[in-house]
Amino acid sequence: GAGVSQSPRYKVAKRGQDVALRCDPISGHVSLFWYQQALGQGPEFLTYFQNEAQLDKSGLPSDRFFAERPEGSVSTLKIQRTQQEDSAVYLCASSPAGGGPYGYTFGSGTRLTVV
Amino acid sequence: AQSVTQLDSQVPVFEEAPVELRCNYSSSVSVYLFWYVQYPNQGLQLLLKYLSGSTLVKGINGFEAEFNKSQTSFHLRKPSVHISDTAEYFCAVSARGYSTLTFGKGTMLLVSP
Repeated sequence: GAGVSQSPRYKVAKRGQDVALRCDPISGHVSLFWYQQALGQGPEFLTYFQNEAQLDKSGLPSDRFFAERPEGSVSTLKIQRTQQEDSAVYLCASSPAGGGPYGYTFGSGTRLTVV
Repeated sequence: AQSVTQLDSQVPVFEEAPVELRCNYSSSVSVYLFWYVQYPNQGLQLLLKYLSGSTLVKGINGFEAEFNKSQTSFHLRKPSVHISDTAEYFCAVSARGYSTLTFGKGTMLLVSP
């Protein structure tokens, strides 16, 4: 597609519920990144894929967070047993080849509210 | 590891006035530098980036930034702002040889008539 698509745009979850957030990167982009943006803060890195390989998951805040990209295109970020502190905008970005000089294209994000 | 400091959380300015948004970074290796803009309820849009070469970088919407290696800064400037420039601005750094972006906390530019 023309841009990075994220769905749903908004998600309200009850505390303890599991959620799944989807990212459709630009076709042909091998690199995919997930970021978490809390209210009034800058985006913080969660995890990074090169094709289907998860090369860096150092930013995932707990083992309740899990990301996958099984076929090297669409990615899903799953959060189990959601907590109020998980409320944030989750941004996905894709890059033709590893970010850096190749650039990053961001989606519009999924706003997760845990009540 | 890299870090980014945006010294001002908010910058109020009148329409048609000049503005500078400050950004300093820290890194033990060479970096690529970026400025992004975020309008309410939207994703991040790239304004400009510094990869190498000329230290003065021109971007979209009349913005420019200057890379200063000795001061580890990458300040964003616009000579005359419009109401429509009201948004959150993020400075970000990517270390050469690494893939991830590290962002600052953002500066809210508030343009009033």
